[in-house]
Amino acid sequence: DQQVKQNSPSLSVQEGRISILNCDYTNSMFDYFLWYKKYPAEGPTFLISISSIKDKNEDGRFTVFLNKSAKHLSLHIVPSQPGDSAVYFCAASLSGSARQLTFGSGTQLTVLP
Amino acid sequence: EADIYQTPRYLVIGTGKKITLECSQTMGHDKMYWYQQDPGMELHLIHYSYGVNSTEKGDLSSESTVSRIRTEHFPLTLESARPSHTSQYLCASSRGGLGTQYFGPGTRLLVL
Repeated sequence: DQQVKQNSPSLSVQEGRISILNCDYTNSMFDYFLWYKKYPAEGPTFLISISSIKDKNEDGRFTVFLNKSAKHLSLHIVPSQPGDSAVYFCAASLSGSARQLTFGSGTQLTVLP
Repeated sequence: EADIYQTPRYLVIGTGKKITLECSQTMGHDKMYWYQQDPGMELHLIHYSYGVNSTEKGDLSSESTVSRIRTEHFPLTLESARPSHTSQYLCASSRGGLGTQYFGPGTRLLVL
C-alpha cells in the first residue's frame, strides 16, 4: 500500500510558466514533507520542505503548499526554466521513526523552451 | 548542503561476486540511510543507522548488510551478487530533529 502517491508520471510546461506538481498521502501521522529533484544516474537533490504546522513555505522560485485536511501537498515552480527538467519526488516522514522517508514514485517535469 | 560521497559510481560485476558499496559523509550527521531505486519507481529504504554501532533494516527486504563503525562511514555489502540485485543504490545522511536527508550521487550496479 503506497502511502505517498504522485499520480502524474509526467508534466510538460512552457518556459516562463508555472509548474505545479502534486502529491497525496494517506498517513495522517506524517509531520514533515520534502521535495527532491533527481536527474538520471544521480542522487536526489533536496529542494524544499514543510512542517505540518505550516501550510506554505517559499524559497525563491519554489513554493510548497500543504493541505492537511486533504492530505495533499503541491510544489509550485515560478517561472519554470529548461534546467528544471528532471524527476521530482515528494517524500514524507514522521517522528520516532529515525525520520525514514517514504517516497512517491516521482513526476517527470519537462520545461519546453 | 551535506557533502556525501559514494564509490564506485558504476559497477558491472558477475554473479556470485562479493561487493561493497562505499558511502562517506563529512558533515558529522548521526543518521545514515541506504535506499534502492529501480528506474521509474520510488526509492525504497533498505537500511538505516541512528549512529555508531546502530543499524536497522528498512521497509524493503534486502540481502545486503551494512555496518557503522565510524560516524562518517556506512558501507553496504552484498556477499554474493545476483542479477536481481541490479539497481541504483543511494546513500543519505541527516542530523537529528526533522532531519532533512541529503543524498550522495548513487551507485548504479549491474550484475551479469
